[in-house]
Amino acid sequence: QSVLTQPPSASGTPGQRVTISCSGSTSTIGSNSVYWYHQLPGMAPSLLIYRNNQRPSGVPDRFSGSKSGTSASLAISGLRSEDEADYYCATWDDSLSGWVFGGGTKLTVL
Amino acid sequence: QVQLQESGPGLVKPSQTLSLTCTVSGASISSGAYYFDWIRQPAGKGLEWIGRMFTTGSTDYNPSLKSRVTISGDTSKNRFSLDLSSVTAADTAVYYCARERITVEGNLFDFWGQGILVTVSS
Repeated sequence: QSVLTQPPSASGTPGQRVTISCSGSTSTIGSNSVYWYHQLPGMAPSLLIYRNNQRPSGVPDRFSGSKSGTSASLAISGLRSEDEADYYCATWDDSLSGWVFGGGTKLTVL
Repeated sequence: QVQLQESGPGLVKPSQTLSLTCTVSGASISSGAYYFDWIRQPAGKGLEWIGRMFTTGSTDYNPSLKSRVTISGDTSKNRFSLDLSSVTAADTAVYYCARERITVEGNLFDFWGQGILVTVSS
């Protein structure tokens, strides 16, 4: 049972826009920045969004993040086949004094 | 270019201690700008933060693992290590080391190792 709640799966067709939600609490998302990582099969996770809505250099602007209260979302527009991956949200938990992750969302491009 | 590389045994017997090392290149573990972390992922499951160390030697651990975990650093070899004692099959996972960049607006994991699969089995 992850501290942050994500839907286990999401899907869309090429060109569509999909969103992935991440739900937390006042001690997690409500108090700290949210980060999104994507993970291709057999690979290490890679930073996709930091500080709720910032993109590292090299990440296309098709990816965007937002946060409101104790929830956050990752949106992917202009869906492409190479976006098929697992996506994880993460944040600091003030109660645990440690990092917590969502359970991950497997994105399928139909 | 910053690189992290995990190493250690891929098979550990139940009740024994799992010991892994992460060798860092392109960055110093003595830098006050970073933490160095361990994160694991059981097959087909999500990510779990294990703990981290800072250059001063201070550490933070996941409360669920704290009684069994030790993270330490070797500045002379620019590497840091994970010891997890009394392992069971539930500790079977891919173990990642990662660099956590410290910023005023919030830390982030900017570089990860490729991961190493550790299986706990007799």
